[in-house]
Amino acid sequence: GQQLNQSPQSMFIQEGEDVSMNCTSSSIFNTWLWYKQDPGEGPVLLIALYKAGELTSNGRLTAQFGITRKDSFLNISASIPSDVGIYFCAGPSPFTSGTYKYIFGTGTRLKVLA
Amino acid sequence: NAGVTQTPKFRVLKTGQSMTLLCAQDMNHEYMYWYRQDPGMGLRLIHYSVGEGTTAKGEVPDGYNVSRLKKQNFLLGLESAAPSQTSVYFCASRPTGKGSNQPQHFGDGTRLSIL
Repeated sequence: GQQLNQSPQSMFIQEGEDVSMNCTSSSIFNTWLWYKQDPGEGPVLLIALYKAGELTSNGRLTAQFGITRKDSFLNISASIPSDVGIYFCAGPSPFTSGTYKYIFGTGTRLKVLA
Repeated sequence: NAGVTQTPKFRVLKTGQSMTLLCAQDMNHEYMYWYRQDPGMGLRLIHYSVGEGTTAKGEVPDGYNVSRLKKQNFLLGLESAAPSQTSVYFCASRPTGKGSNQPQHFGDGTRLSIL
C-alpha cells in the first residue's frame, strides 16, 4: 500500500534541544496532518494544515505545509521528556476518487534524554 | 468525554478462533475506520465506513469482516484468526467536512495476539 516517507525514522535528543522532522510524498496533497502517539495509546492530532505554505503552531510545535504540496515539516522547540513518542504525518489519499481514505507515514520515533 | 472507545483492550486467541472487536464513538461522526499497526509499518487501513449500513475495503481487508448497523458503532470481525493477524488494532472516526478534510480521532487500540 501507499505510505508517506518520514525522516528520520528515529532520533535521540537531549532535553532542551530543538527537533525537526519531515514527511514527503511523490504525490500532491491538499491536507497534511501531524499526530503523536504515546506508548500504549492511540494517535492524537497535533496540527492540521490545509494550504500550501501554511505555517501553524501549537505550543512548542510548529508545522509547515510545503509549497510544492509534496512535503510537510514538524518542529519541536525546547524538547522535554514528555515529547517522547512516535510522530506520524497523514493526509487524504491522492489515489482514490473521494477523500475518505487517509494514508499515514511510517513514523518518527523520538526519545528525549533528560 | 469518551470520544472513540475500543473494546476489548487486550485479547489472546488461538489459531482458528473467532472474535469481534467493538468500536464506539459518541461524536456523531459519519466516517469510521479500522487500522492495524505493525512495527515499522505505520497504520494500514483494513476497512472503513462512510455511513450507517455501508462498508468498504481498505488496503489489507483479507481475513476481516466489518459491520456498521448503527452510526455510532463499527465492528471488526476475525472469523478464523491466524498468527499473521497478531497486531494492534485502532479504530478512528471523523466528521464529514465542507471543503476540507477533517482529521480522524483515534481510540486507544486493541492489542491482539494469535497463538
